[in-house]
Amino acid sequence: DQQVKQNSPSLSVQEGRISILNCDYTNSMFDYFLWYKKYPAEGPTFLISISSIKDKNEDGRFTVFLNKSAKHLSLHIVPSQPGDSAVYFCAATYSGAGSYQLTFGKGTKLSVIP
Amino acid sequence: GAVVSQHPSWVICKSGTSVKIECRSLDFQATTMFWYRQFPKQSLMLMATSNEGSKATYEQGVEKDKFLINHASLTLSTLTVTSAHPEDSSFYICSASMTSGRTYNEQFFGPGTRLTVL
Repeated sequence: DQQVKQNSPSLSVQEGRISILNCDYTNSMFDYFLWYKKYPAEGPTFLISISSIKDKNEDGRFTVFLNKSAKHLSLHIVPSQPGDSAVYFCAATYSGAGSYQLTFGKGTKLSVIP
Repeated sequence: GAVVSQHPSWVICKSGTSVKIECRSLDFQATTMFWYRQFPKQSLMLMATSNEGSKATYEQGVEKDKFLINHASLTLSTLTVTSAHPEDSSFYICSASMTSGRTYNEQFFGPGTRLTVL
């Protein structure tokens, strides 16, 4: 049973437009969510996170929205740039997870077209 | 800061041999290290969690005798794939977490190791 789901395996967006990546989760114990960016043959790099006590967190061009009632979060990138082309992973954890283990979604491959 | 390295970055081996992958935190002490594997177009799957000086905790379905994890110091953890078979071919990624005093300890990921078993 996949607890973190990214239902869109890929997304193409024109440069300068908004990219919206979606993530759903099923475990209501999750209270902290993270987005990672991954290039081929490299490890993931942390992008932005949000705690369940918030519904929005913004960092430059990146904004994460959390809808707890719907168990849904989204990452908005605006404006999108070609360098944003990568696989984006949504991850979740909870404070009772001991070592704060992360549960990852399958990722969404974003392609930003110049 | 917070750099994690892995060695080797890629390795090709014959079936039946053992392969050791090193994960190092270069500029911080990692209280916890995690090992993941990723198949093509799949998510990162947590294999095991290791704390320095203690035995690793393996996820369900991961054979501890096949994937030996040693976390001998606060900056080094090793994953040994014993008697490797072609189905063990995958991308192995480690991450390290430091005690920062924050509620959630951020994980810093290594660049990964591509293992191909012939």
